[in-house]
Amino acid sequence: QQQVKQSPQSLIVQKGGISIINCAYENTAFDYFPWYQQFPGKGPALLIAIRPDVSEKKEGRFTISFNKSAKQFSLHIMDSQPGDSATYFCAANFGNEKLTFGTGTRLTIIP
Amino acid sequence: GAVVSQHPSRVICKSGTSVKIECRSLDFQATTMFWYRQFPKQSLMLMATSNEGSKATYEQGVEKDKFLINHASLTLSTLTVTSAHPEDSSFYICSASPPGQGFYGYTFGSGTRLTVV
Repeated sequence: QQQVKQSPQSLIVQKGGISIINCAYENTAFDYFPWYQQFPGKGPALLIAIRPDVSEKKEGRFTISFNKSAKQFSLHIMDSQPGDSATYFCAANFGNEKLTFGTGTRLTIIP
Repeated sequence: GAVVSQHPSRVICKSGTSVKIECRSLDFQATTMFWYRQFPKQSLMLMATSNEGSKATYEQGVEKDKFLINHASLTLSTLTVTSAHPEDSSFYICSASPPGQGFYGYTFGSGTRLTVV
């Protein structure tokens, strides 16, 4: 079954801390694992993405770690800021043109 | 960067009526657009794939006659919710990608909040 399991469902992190969100997939996925950020009442926006031939990708404060053998990937947000408070979705492409999304993580950064 | 625009951003309609949502790619041509539905505090669920010049492909469990999709041009796809009922109230989001960019260019619209009363 084409599922992407995401955890935690919600996360509260102090300003300046590290936010970590994890995702796991069950079946063999193909060449694209993106993370999306969504603010209330808005569509998702691509944050960062990784391909399975790379174990880590960093863009500014955002890092994706990818473990192909474990079929897991995670998003790390360094120096978390109140403006990072949003819902984050991981996703994966399973060999066709359709993205399958994780269940989402509501991140709250507190002062 | 690529921009996908949706209209309207919010709509309230009476039960039994139909409502049309537009999705436009503003600075690129899109032969394929995707329509998602998102219930409060839930993930995005793909409803259908809109194909320019041909019939849309619907996901399992999505009623074709209820959610009519028309992709009449390379920059416009429309989703019409027919005979809407309160359970159709949801956040509808479209997405598209510029030619050649595949998933790396996936851009979402800002969504349409549909409320059926």
